[in-house]
Amino acid sequence: DAGVIQSPRHEVTEMGQEVTLRCKPISGHDYLFWYRQTMMRGLELLIYFNNNVPIDDSGMPEDRFSAKMPNASFSTLKIQPSEPRDSAVYFCASSEAGTSYEQYFGPGTRLTVT
Amino acid sequence: ELKVEQNPLFLSMQEGKNYTIYCNYSTTSDRLYWYRQDPGKSLESLFVLLSNGAVKQEGRLMASLDTKARLSTLHITAAVHDLSATYFCAVGNFGNEKLTFGTGTRLTIIP
Repeated sequence: DAGVIQSPRHEVTEMGQEVTLRCKPISGHDYLFWYRQTMMRGLELLIYFNNNVPIDDSGMPEDRFSAKMPNASFSTLKIQPSEPRDSAVYFCASSEAGTSYEQYFGPGTRLTVT
Repeated sequence: ELKVEQNPLFLSMQEGKNYTIYCNYSTTSDRLYWYRQDPGKSLESLFVLLSNGAVKQEGRLMASLDTKARLSTLHITAAVHDLSATYFCAVGNFGNEKLTFGTGTRLTIIP
């Protein structure tokens, strides 16, 4: 199994630009999670989906952030417009219902907004 | 709201020594996880603890769970340099699939 796949691995953009992060979960997993990691705030859950449906988006910082999961094998996290304080590493993780709910993390996308 | 505290936040230890990292959480949970993160890398799952009294061991690492005390420990035996990393505990929120992560413990093993 290829594991959770994220793209791009690194993204550098200017303030005000739109940024789209992509994630492919492990095949057969029912849950998909988006996290943000910074030195100051640690690891924060932004949103998670179950069977492509958003369940809890209470961690999404503001309206500039949006996430979609159009099918079981693809999700996007979009920031529009981006700001320097959005600079962070964004992780996608997936898990399978009916098991230990262990979450498997992707390699992350390091976002730098200048 | 579930809160997860780890201590210590930073730990420097000599090779060959033993030490324990603690993870306390504030409300009832039935699932606890330990992850490892190397600098610039992703999180790697180490242990999944699903019941009171659960103990799991892998190499020089051993994790345990006491649900009554709301405490998990990660014990390091005879530390080696390769164990240098940041270790996170994460607690499952009862009734849903969310995990709440601790702040992490940055472990540095000194030769």
